[in-house]
Amino acid sequence: NFMLTQPHSVSESPGKTVTISCTRTSGSIASNYVQWYQQRPGSSPTTVIYEHNQRPSGVPDRFSGSIDSSSNSASLTISGLKTEDEADYYCQSYDSNNLNYVFGTGTEVTVL
Amino acid sequence: EVQLVESGGGLVQPGGSLRLSCAASGFIFSSYWMSWVRQAPGKGLEWVANIKQDGSEKYYVDSVKGRFTISRDNAKNSLYLQMNSLRAEDTAVYYCARDPESGSYSIDYWGQGTLVTVSP
Repeated sequence: NFMLTQPHSVSESPGKTVTISCTRTSGSIASNYVQWYQQRPGSSPTTVIYEHNQRPSGVPDRFSGSIDSSSNSASLTISGLKTEDEADYYCQSYDSNNLNYVFGTGTEVTVL
Repeated sequence: EVQLVESGGGLVQPGGSLRLSCAASGFIFSSYWMSWVRQAPGKGLEWVANIKQDGSEKYYVDSVKGRFTISRDNAKNSLYLQMNSLRAEDTAVYYCARDPESGSYSIDYWGQGTLVTVSP
């Protein structure tokens, strides 16, 4: 079984860029797709990135995803930060050994 | 428009039971895997269980195996979670969620959630 580790919080000013990491503790990050979900306070999660780097319709291109096999991690980058981007962000992947979905620990993004 | 509406949450004593329901609309329910995901107060997301389109395959997180049962009724476009032997640590908002057709082991739509509180 593996875990997905994220920084607890990140903060940046409006208009800047933030990158959130998601590190897989064992096994290859590339072995299963990584998704990213945004959860604004008091709301249900929504998908901002699926299958490593795909954006659902309606998600602005300020959001991008990638994976890096050398660090065994995935990243979510939000450019041109807006106050509406303040939320918790969770990465998620799949454990082929126990057939479970695995969520990351979550990152709180604050737009100063 | 895809809609997932959960119901059935509430206050229950430790050791008690509760059945959650999720009414789906806006898509062909019988064509999708479905999941339940929970979130304890102030905590992160935890996947609970999922079920195949025809109900023939079901998978659970270890912490609920033997206590929770996921099921579906495609004729009623409904997903269920029967929760028995409830514990304080099961206290959470429970989200009904749809897995996308692509089979990428992810979630594309979430319900608004229903709160389950396990307390004496």
